[in-house]
Amino acid sequence: DTGVSQDPRHKITKRGQNVTFRCDPISEHNRLYWYRQTLGQGPEFLTYFQNEAQLEKSRLLSDRFSAERPKGSFSTLEIQRTEQGDSAMYLCASSSEDRAFVNEQFFGPGTRLTVL
Amino acid sequence: AQTVTQSQPEMSVQEAETVTLSCTYDTSESDYYLFWYKQPPSRQMILVIRQEAYKQQNATENRFSVNFQKAAKSFSLKISDSQLGDAAMYFCAYRSALGGSEKLVFGKGTKLTVNP
Repeated sequence: DTGVSQDPRHKITKRGQNVTFRCDPISEHNRLYWYRQTLGQGPEFLTYFQNEAQLEKSRLLSDRFSAERPKGSFSTLEIQRTEQGDSAMYLCASSSEDRAFVNEQFFGPGTRLTVL
Repeated sequence: AQTVTQSQPEMSVQEAETVTLSCTYDTSESDYYLFWYKQPPSRQMILVIRQEAYKQQNATENRFSVNFQKAAKSFSLKISDSQLGDAAMYFCAYRSALGGSEKLVFGKGTKLTVNP
């Protein structure tokens, strides 16, 4: 396993369209996170899964955003009725609960979304 | 809510010299974790160094060390013997040690340029 992977790496869409991103975590990791990073800013937390349970959601995650992690493996993040303000890099990270110390979050390469 | 502030949008250093990146944070919690992440251009974010708030000893990882001042809520990163490969965005991040919250809170980042 070479790390967290995300697909697609780039997505260009028109305003009002729906988009879906996929994240595959490191295989033994049971925790998965989504962050959003806009230009010139640090990543902002969106949501967190432990196995298949969504345990934490940010107020940034409006009702147009939905995330799933069926069977506790890969995760999808869907944005409905996209707006230009949704243009950002969407980062996925994963971590293991079993580490002996603070669970390090390993980040994927991100999906860059451009909404025209 | 916790906040993380990086007051230096950009820094530069000569190769082989030492540079210090600043980070301050605001929290009412007594137990937490602090991190420095590196994000090279067009590459994924990687963890540079971590510090547990209950530990008085400053963390070190090879050429990277931190100056953790808990009372001042300050967490600076020192890079010694700077190398061209150190050029990147550096993000300071905070995570609560309270059960149930796994999110990282990031600063806006510092862009480090290493001059040959």
